[in-house]
Amino acid sequence: AQKITQTQPGMFVQEKEAVTLDCTYDTSDQSYGLFWYKQPSSGEMIFLIYQGSYDEQNATEGRYSLNFQKARKSANLVISASQLGDSAMYFCAMRGPGYSSASKIIFGSGTRLSIRP
Amino acid sequence: DGGITQSPKYLFRKEGQNVTLSCEQNLNHDAMYWYRQDPGQGLRLIYYSQIVNDFQKGDIAEGYSVSREKKESFPLTVTSAQKNPTAFYLCATRIDRVVDNYGYTFGSGTRLTVV
Repeated sequence: AQKITQTQPGMFVQEKEAVTLDCTYDTSDQSYGLFWYKQPSSGEMIFLIYQGSYDEQNATEGRYSLNFQKARKSANLVISASQLGDSAMYFCAMRGPGYSSASKIIFGSGTRLSIRP
Repeated sequence: DGGITQSPKYLFRKEGQNVTLSCEQNLNHDAMYWYRQDPGQGLRLIYYSQIVNDFQKGDIAEGYSVSREKKESFPLTVTSAQKNPTAFYLCATRIDRVVDNYGYTFGSGTRLTVV
């Protein structure tokens, strides 16, 4: 069975510092995808970044990068130069094999990130 | 602009009542999903639908029902059989063809409280 584990329930970081949010996953599939979503206090889920299991390079989107270590089954999110607006809940998620909508996405329990001014 | 509309934003239900949460999309996405989120926790899948007139149970379908009569709409009914319905409910959509990542697009959610 697939599983996503986020071991940091909450983190406090000083503004402008870099922060790493941990995510490990478990799957026996060769083809899968990994996502990170941000959920501010308003509740909406905002897509941040995606990494495919066959992608050889780590994904980057602006200040976000995904540190993908396939052998260790980890997909940590790195936020460079954190800002006050980064304070939110962050979820790691995994898509199963295949490219149909039957391939469901499962979510970790989340990490609440708080940025200190 | 294309997007997903969930309504209402806040909903209060008396014990023993059924309530229906609305999810409408104009993204022309094929698949639609309902997730439940409890405080401080991740999302759990309730139901999903890949095409019109077809839907599948997710991990926590008991006490919920859905319909998919139109591609644009996927309403969720929380029935009186759901013992602990107070939660945040998120609707999501996904396109069913080869695109970059097959990720979800989410609505803004409905917060349901039993009073």
